[in-house]
Amino acid sequence: QQQVKQSPQSLIVQKGGISIINCAYENTAFDYFPWYQQFPGKGPALLIAIRPDVSEKKEGRFTISFNKSAKQFSLHIMDSQPGDSATYFCAATPNQAGTALIFGKGTTLSVSS
Amino acid sequence: EPEVTQTPSHQVTQMGQEVILRCVPISNHLYFYWYRQILGQKVEFLVSFYNNEISEKSEIFDDQFSVERPDGSNFTLKIRSTKLEDSAMYFCASSGGVGTQYFGPGTRLTVL
Repeated sequence: QQQVKQSPQSLIVQKGGISIINCAYENTAFDYFPWYQQFPGKGPALLIAIRPDVSEKKEGRFTISFNKSAKQFSLHIMDSQPGDSATYFCAATPNQAGTALIFGKGTTLSVSS
Repeated sequence: EPEVTQTPSHQVTQMGQEVILRCVPISNHLYFYWYRQILGQKVEFLVSFYNNEISEKSEIFDDQFSVERPDGSNFTLKIRSTKLEDSAMYFCASSGGVGTQYFGPGTRLTVL
């Protein structure tokens, strides 16, 4: 019940295309859903986050869609660029201070030029 | 922009030795965390720390691990007797409360 399932494991997208990464969870206590971007040899960096009181959040080319009833959320990267090539992790937490982030297994995105 | 810093960036140790990984969280943050990432795998939670006490810990965080805030700025993870399987990237993170956890660049621990 603590798991966050993420798919696909890897993704190849043409420059200018849309990248879509999906995550699902079971624990209804999860209340905060961030996405992190990680480049090789670096720490995860927060990309965008959502709470379940909204169904969508957009920041620039990055959009989170959230389906509370299905317990699913997804990251859409519009107009994907080679610089977006990285590993993306979804995560979830009950959003109480000091509680663990539960990460998905990650998606390695390659954007070809 | 404030950031979490970690030292060293790479630590090589012999099996059975003790290592201390150091972190300087963002200065006004109150909650501190350690995570690890075995090569090619997901990021796993180890422990969270608030007000000089452990708030939450995972099954991974057994008796060989300990955390400490020895002064007003540093936050450390000690691994008492390292094993081969402790080889991983260790990330420190901090948060001001609920919401975003900010991660440091990590320490790569290699146990030989």
